[in-house]
Amino acid sequence: EAQVTQNPRYLITVTGKKLTVTCSQNMNHEYMSWYRQDPGLGLRQIYYSMNVEVTDKGDVPEGYKVSRKEKRNFPLILESPSPNQTSLYFCASRKLGGNTIYFGEGSWLTVV
Amino acid sequence: KQEVTQIPAALSVPEGENLVLNCSFTDSAIYNLQWFRQDPGKGLTSLLLIQSSQREQTSGRLNASLDKSSGRSTLYIAASQPGDSATYLCAVTGGSGNTGKLIFGQGTTLQVKP
Repeated sequence: EAQVTQNPRYLITVTGKKLTVTCSQNMNHEYMSWYRQDPGLGLRQIYYSMNVEVTDKGDVPEGYKVSRKEKRNFPLILESPSPNQTSLYFCASRKLGGNTIYFGEGSWLTVV
Repeated sequence: KQEVTQIPAALSVPEGENLVLNCSFTDSAIYNLQWFRQDPGKGLTSLLLIQSSQREQTSGRLNASLDKSSGRSTLYIAASQPGDSATYLCAVTGGSGNTGKLIFGQGTTLQVKP
């Protein structure tokens, strides 16, 4: 079954404590991306990756890092989380040049 | 910079009604437009994708249209059911300076009452 899997699904953490949200896809997709969803602002892209070792900033990259060492994985790293990073995060993937995009089920992150 | 707007933000209708959700975008140079459904606490599911060269797409009770020149798309839902209650998002790919990412509208939250 085609899947994008994110972990954790729910997390409450404290300001400044580094955390990583993992994302894995089983469809051999080249393109992966991270979005955050906030009330009144919709979904905004944080980072994207066109292939292994190729990453670039989206619209709201500040405070985030990503890596793409393997094709299937695209972790989102918050080195020093702050309360304004409290949000719902989605990972997505698609085949490069393809149209169908697959989303993970989301990760609810609260930073206190 | 591409901007996507959805109106209304929320809609409540009785079961059985036909309804239209609206989406507008500022830059007509898009590659495609997609409609997604989002259930509470869940991810997004793609409903329909319209390529820039197409005018409409249909899937079951759903019909999406695209008018690139006016920067508009509509999602028509026929004979609405309570199970259609969800948030509907439209997103475009492409536009000036775009790298293939999706630009989303803020969504329309639909409630279909039994």
